[in-house]
Amino acid sequence: SAVISQKPSRDICQRGTSLTIQCQVDSQVTMMFWYRQQPGQSLTLIATANQGSEATYESGFVIDKFPISRPNLTFSTLTVSNMSPEDSSIYLCSLNTYGGTEAFFGQGTRLTVV
Amino acid sequence: GIQVEQSPPDLILQEGANSTLRCNFSDSVNNLQWFHQNPWGQLINLFYIPSGTKQNGRLSATTVATERYSLLYISSSQTTDSGVYFCAVERGSSSNTGKLIFGQGTTLQVKP
Repeated sequence: SAVISQKPSRDICQRGTSLTIQCQVDSQVTMMFWYRQQPGQSLTLIATANQGSEATYESGFVIDKFPISRPNLTFSTLTVSNMSPEDSSIYLCSLNTYGGTEAFFGQGTRLTVV
Repeated sequence: GIQVEQSPPDLILQEGANSTLRCNFSDSVNNLQWFHQNPWGQLINLFYIPSGTKQNGRLSATTVATERYSLLYISSSQTTDSGVYFCAVERGSSSNTGKLIFGQGTTLQVKP
């Protein structure tokens, strides 16, 4: 399986600021995704990070709040913009290997907004 | 959209006990995976199992796709098995989107 490096692992941020989370993979992958896990909840897909084009967002998530970049097949970033305490969550990057089947996840970024 | 339901929501076991976790889904699926989320939040792949049965040490899983459920068996549980177990599926279609829909999880606590 691919090795996924996600950073930062955790951060405490002031409301109104932005945080960029990075996800680096040690091999080229077709599909990369970003998920959010609110406290005590399950995981929800934010968007599909498309290489060389705009990300595809799920219902309830917008580009202005969660801009995503994917400049190549091994790297993606998620920015959480203009943060409020409601954005406190674990954010995880994910990728699919083996022709788009089995999914693997980064270590996650635990974000606390104060 | 597809619904994914896990049961039980919470489970407390004594070390050494066995358990069965269940995942029901409401539509055909391309992909079904079981994950263990450790206390630090990391998701660990347990099984990729859209159908059939697999075993890995003390863990095994069975998916009956025609009846839309999957089971995760944990035998001789250990305190390190504690955490949240998630079932996640991708809705069945002609192409793989890679988008996973997660159940609400089963929180397992194994007591020494």
